[in-house]
Amino acid sequence: EVQLVQSGAEVKKPGESLKISCKGSGYSFTSYWIGWVRQMPGKGLEWMGIIYPGDSDTRYSPSFQGQVTISADKSISTAYLQWSSLKASDTAMYYCARLPPDSGFIDYWGQGTLVTVSS
Amino acid sequence: SYVLTQPPSVSVAPGKTARITCGGNNIGSKSVHWYQQKPGQAPVLVIYYDSDRPSGIPERFSGSNSGNTATLTISRVEAGDEADYYCQVWEGVFGGGTKLTVL
Repeated sequence: EVQLVQSGAEVKKPGESLKISCKGSGYSFTSYWIGWVRQMPGKGLEWMGIIYPGDSDTRYSPSFQGQVTISADKSISTAYLQWSSLKASDTAMYYCARLPPDSGFIDYWGQGTLVTVSS
Repeated sequence: SYVLTQPPSVSVAPGKTARITCGGNNIGSKSVHWYQQKPGQAPVLVIYYDSDRPSGIPERFSGSNSGNTATLTISRVEAGDEADYYCQVWEGVFGGGTKLTVL
């Protein structure tokens, strides 16, 4: 069974750093893209970027380039989304998701990680 | 950047047909995918490559794509279909989402 299990909810202060994780299981982690999607409270889905764990090829949406870092450790089948300095506007639910190669669509989603940034 | 436009809301009576549109410049030349998201849950893929259904998705869900508009059609709508629906294309763009209300 394919599973993407994300790390738990986080409460942080503005300016703090954060790294959330997404562990894949039940499939070949290095053969599928992993994407990250933001959903701000009461709002729609926003594509942040994707990474191919097989070779770490990473592509960011222009809106998120320079704002976050996407990485992966294929030895433990885990992808990461990282901030160096959080802002209140980063408060959102973050989903990781699996994309079959050369497909462009998401076939499996993680359960989401709620990040709250508040002073 | 490429923009996908969806109506904010669509309402339909149970047993009727709901059609949710996704507009984009020459979207018919792209592959469109659709997701359903119920409150408090992660999205679920319901249509990929314009009209293909993943296993487990009822045949009541279908899709089409031509010209400047892609359409998700839900036949014989049930109360359990009430959700937000998002279209998406390969360029990593999501539509703004459509809230489907079952009257």
